[in-house]
Amino acid sequence: KQEVTQIPAALSVPEGENLVLNCSFTDSAIYNLQWFRQDPGKGLTSLLLIQSSQREQTSGRLNASLDKSSGRSTLYIAASQPGDSATYLCAVRGAGKSTFGDGTTLTVKP
Amino acid sequence: NAGVTQTPKFQVLKTGQSMTLQCAQDMNHNSMYWYRQDPGMGLRLIYYSASEGTTDKGEVPNGYNVSRLNKREFSLRLESAAPSQTSVYFCASRQGITEAFFGQGTRLTVV
Repeated sequence: KQEVTQIPAALSVPEGENLVLNCSFTDSAIYNLQWFRQDPGKGLTSLLLIQSSQREQTSGRLNASLDKSSGRSTLYIAASQPGDSATYLCAVRGAGKSTFGDGTTLTVKP
Repeated sequence: NAGVTQTPKFQVLKTGQSMTLQCAQDMNHNSMYWYRQDPGMGLRLIYYSASEGTTDKGEVPNGYNVSRLNKREFSLRLESAAPSQTSVYFCASRQGITEAFFGQGTRLTVV
């Protein structure tokens, strides 16, 4: 059974700092990995999707990497801003279903 | 482009009442999903529909039924609500192994 872990559960940084969020998974037989953002009381917003054949994807200040063999993905946020404060979830897509991590709650202080 | 639309956004039910959560997507996606999100439990799959006319159970299907009405719409029904079904419910859709898109959620309280 696929298990997805996100560490740390919470992170607080000052504005302007570069930061890395981690996602690890136990079964490397995946189709893709997707990073989401969730604001309080809201739905999940897709940030980046990395297919299993890819190593990384970039969108603006966000860069996500994937190392299937070691079961790890990272989400790099450059020059963090208070508006980046949210919970970030990763989801691993395997045969038939996706498995979600519990998320990392990020607070960026002005 | 509305994406995935869920109704209602909030609902309070009494134990034993029934209700249907509605979900519609306008992206022509084949696959649709219902999840529940609970503190400390993460997102758990209730039911999914890989294509129009098919539905399958997920991790936590007990107490729920679904209908894939057409390609756009996928509804979730609670026949006899229980306090354990108090949760936030999310509908999602995707095409193949591309990005999944989520609705804004339905916050359900069963008293």
